Amino acid sequence: NAGVTQTPKFRILKIGQSMTLQCAQDMNHNYMYWYRQDPGMGLKLIYYSVGAGITDKGEVPNGYNVSRSTTEDFPLRLELAAPSQTSVYFCASSRTRQDLTGELFFGEGSRLTVL
Amino acid sequence: AQSVTQLDSHVSVSEGTPVLLRCNYSSSYSPSLFWYVQHPNKGLQLLLKYTSAATLVKGINGFEAEFKKSETSFHLTKPSAHMSDAAEYFCVVPKAAGNKLTFGGGTRVLVKP
Repeated sequence: NAGVTQTPKFRILKIGQSMTLQCAQDMNHNYMYWYRQDPGMGLKLIYYSVGAGITDKGEVPNGYNVSRSTTEDFPLRLELAAPSQTSVYFCASSRTRQDLTGELFFGEGSRLTVL
Repeated sequence: AQSVTQLDSHVSVSEGTPVLLRCNYSSSYSPSLFWYVQHPNKGLQLLLKYTSAATLVKGINGFEAEFKKSETSFHLTKPSAHMSDAAEYFCVVPKAAGNKLTFGGGTRVLVKP
């Protein structure tokens, strides 16, 4: 049972480059999320999805895009990378709304550095 | 607006001694509250949750937390720390609207042998 799988684990980008962080879950969860984690700041929600074909912005969506073509996959696209996007990115999923049960299942994270 | 404040960014304890991680919340109503743990280079894992049932909540790995409405607190405790408890801990509260959470800034726990 893999849970939530993120790739890549590490990546270094140059300013202006683009990339996609991949996320897949095998728990048949409808809800999926992308968070970024910066030191001392907790986690901030970038985008989330309540099911295939439905996505919505979180607290810090600027500079990112997402898509949800299947229940399993929720890729995060970074366009024109900037140093402010240097962070650790976490994908998560939940069976129900995260604010109702708080039970999120997280991937192990993708550490991105933009130079 | 719902918010949480973790009062200590770092806590250092000796193995076998009690652990106390402090969290205060701000909410216009009695909220749900959660504690998450993050071990080094891993994703977060739900440790325990309060959802307006019993005010003393037991979680995994011997941790527990007590919801105190009068003090607007939800402190996390463990009677005896183990080396494997070295991790970062996050106090979390749902936002008032929508499918969103507010994470505290985290408390990093160091366990000394």
